[in-house]
Amino acid sequence: DAKTTQPNSMESNEEEPVHLPCNHSTISGTDYIHWYRQLPSQGPEYVIHGLTSNVNNRMASLAIAEDRKSSTLILHRATLRDAAVYYCILRDRFYFGNEKLTFGTGTRLTIIP
Amino acid sequence: GAVVSQHPSWVICKSGTSVKIECRSLDFQATTMFWYRQFPKQSLMLMATSNEGSKATYEQGVEKDKFLINHASLTLSTLTVTSAHPEDSSFYICSARDHSLHRNQPQHFGDGTRLSIL
Repeated sequence: DAKTTQPNSMESNEEEPVHLPCNHSTISGTDYIHWYRQLPSQGPEYVIHGLTSNVNNRMASLAIAEDRKSSTLILHRATLRDAAVYYCILRDRFYFGNEKLTFGTGTRLTIIP
Repeated sequence: GAVVSQHPSWVICKSGTSVKIECRSLDFQATTMFWYRQFPKQSLMLMATSNEGSKATYEQGVEKDKFLINHASLTLSTLTVTSAHPEDSSFYICSARDHSLHRNQPQHFGDGTRLSIL
């Protein structure tokens, strides 16, 4: 899987929007961009994924750059429950080989009350 | 939504003991499950891929005789840490994907098992 780069940590105030960046300059044309997050002492949970167009779901929005070399996970109104480590992961659309997920170091998001 | 259940959530045992961790998909079937290990303040590291009805595939550096994996049904995979020692203390997490859905659909993770070896 192609590599992603994320800031180690970010802080945001409660009830404000949060923009979590991810760089993936070596992304291939068949790579989907997946986001997972891991709350303290829990397993990761799926947040959102996309290929080219921006995506929205009940948890977040995913904005994908036109050249697909970067993306941004947007939490529209952060709550204390959103404090977690957020992982940006690329997955080949055709999954040649294994389906395994390769986790990087992610971004540790702290929400300030 | 899809749920993956891990049991136990927390284990403390003496050095030399073997410990079995179960991973169940509660409302879907999974031909493949994954086992990860996570040390404090670090990211998840894949240990092995569990394949229903066949041998597990281990990542480089993971001892297959130490971490025994069995995937006997489409809803259950087990990881047994044999003769555990303090350095095996870690947070073990499993994941699975509903095999009836497209392969691009997300994986679902268990809540993890915290293993402490005294």
